[in-house]
Amino acid sequence: GENVEQHPSTLSVQEGDSAVIKCTYSDSASNYFPWYKQELGKGPQLIIDIRSNVGEKKDQRIAVTLNKTAKHFSLHITETQPEDSAVYFCAASIEGNTPLVFGKGTRLSVIA
Amino acid sequence: KAGVTQTPRYLIKTRGQQVTLSCSPISGHRSVSWYQQTPGQGLQFLFEYFSETQRNKGNFPGRFSGRQFSNSRSEMNVSTLELGDSALYLCASSLELNSPLHFGNGTRLTVT
Repeated sequence: GENVEQHPSTLSVQEGDSAVIKCTYSDSASNYFPWYKQELGKGPQLIIDIRSNVGEKKDQRIAVTLNKTAKHFSLHITETQPEDSAVYFCAASIEGNTPLVFGKGTRLSVIA
Repeated sequence: KAGVTQTPRYLIKTRGQQVTLSCSPISGHRSVSWYQQTPGQGLQFLFEYFSETQRNKGNFPGRFSGRQFSNSRSEMNVSTLELGDSALYLCASSLELNSPLHFGNGTRLTVT
């Protein structure tokens, strides 16, 4: 089955700097890659997703890139703000077929 | 539109008891998935339901069961509780099988 590795497990950045979180997946058939943000006491919230027919997707300060050949995808957050502090999860699946498999998460701390 | 609603938010049970958790999906969503979240194992898939049928099941013992009703609401049951069942149980819904998952805030189960 699918296996998703995520790193780093913790990341501290200064406010205004960029943050990058990387994930690798094992199943070459996976075609859907969402990213979730989880704040304390809440469930994960979808922040951006990408499908395998696209190499990059951007939404304001957030962007995701996908390299199908290397089987890895990354989340980029620019101009970080204190409210970006949270745990971020990547996931992978064969859309509409297999359940999402999640990485172990990255705790991002943005220092003001 | 209201999000995914999970009840109760917190539960404390004793080893050997059973428990039922409830999930109301976003209005119009037909698919419901359940995940167990623990600090050590992260987010692990339990089950997925669509139109009252279980489509996928994760690698959990038979003590874990679930169901979906005709109004798309879902319940999961854990019998003969063990200390290791202590976790945050997350329910997520999606419009269709190939639509993004939206999570509730979870039920925090503590087994003593």
